[in-house]
Amino acid sequence: LAKTTQPISMDSYEGQEVNITCSHNNIATNDYITWYQQFPSQGPRFIIQGYKTKVTNEVASLFIPADRKSSTLSLPRVSLSDTAVYYCLVGGPGDGGSQGNLIFGKGTKLSVKP
Amino acid sequence: DAGITQSPRYKITETGRQVTLMCHQTWSHSYMFWYRQDLGHGLRLIYYSAAADITDKGEVPDGYVVSRSKTENFPLTLESATRSQTSVYFCASSVSWLDEQFFGPGTRLTVL
Repeated sequence: LAKTTQPISMDSYEGQEVNITCSHNNIATNDYITWYQQFPSQGPRFIIQGYKTKVTNEVASLFIPADRKSSTLSLPRVSLSDTAVYYCLVGGPGDGGSQGNLIFGKGTKLSVKP
Repeated sequence: DAGITQSPRYKITETGRQVTLMCHQTWSHSYMFWYRQDLGHGLRLIYYSAAADITDKGEVPDGYVVSRSKTENFPLTLESATRSQTSVYFCASSVSWLDEQFFGPGTRLTVL
């Protein structure tokens, strides 16, 4: 089972780029990496997903090195509204066609200050 | 309205009682999931369902029962609630196992 490790918290200021790294040393060949954002009293919300190298969408980028043992979520020019908890999720199909596992990290609380 | 809903939003019960948390989605997504969220543990998968009448265990299934007779509903039952099951429970749905999951607003359950 892939175990995910993230920093508990991070601080940043408005306008800065924020990089949150997730470690997943036991990632399986078929596993994907997904990041979610969660505001207080709400369910998590999808941000981005990738398998290797770099993926970019309108809100974030995801960097995955060749060994795939870690991944970095990059948030460009954060604002106060980006203050939230960010979770990485490692999951994929299991062996023999069976379902694999979905393992969330414990989350990184990002605080953006003015 | 379209989306994924959970009920009740808040529930207080006593040890030993049976409790059922409801989840309903309007997208006809094949997959549905139940997670619990606890401080220091993040989100942990309890059970999931790949389709109606197909369910399977996740990481922490003990003490929970699920069913899925209709695609849109995925109730989670605590047959005999324990204090350790005090948590926030999230339901989610997705098109496939790895696709983006859409989460409900959560149910905060307190077991006294």
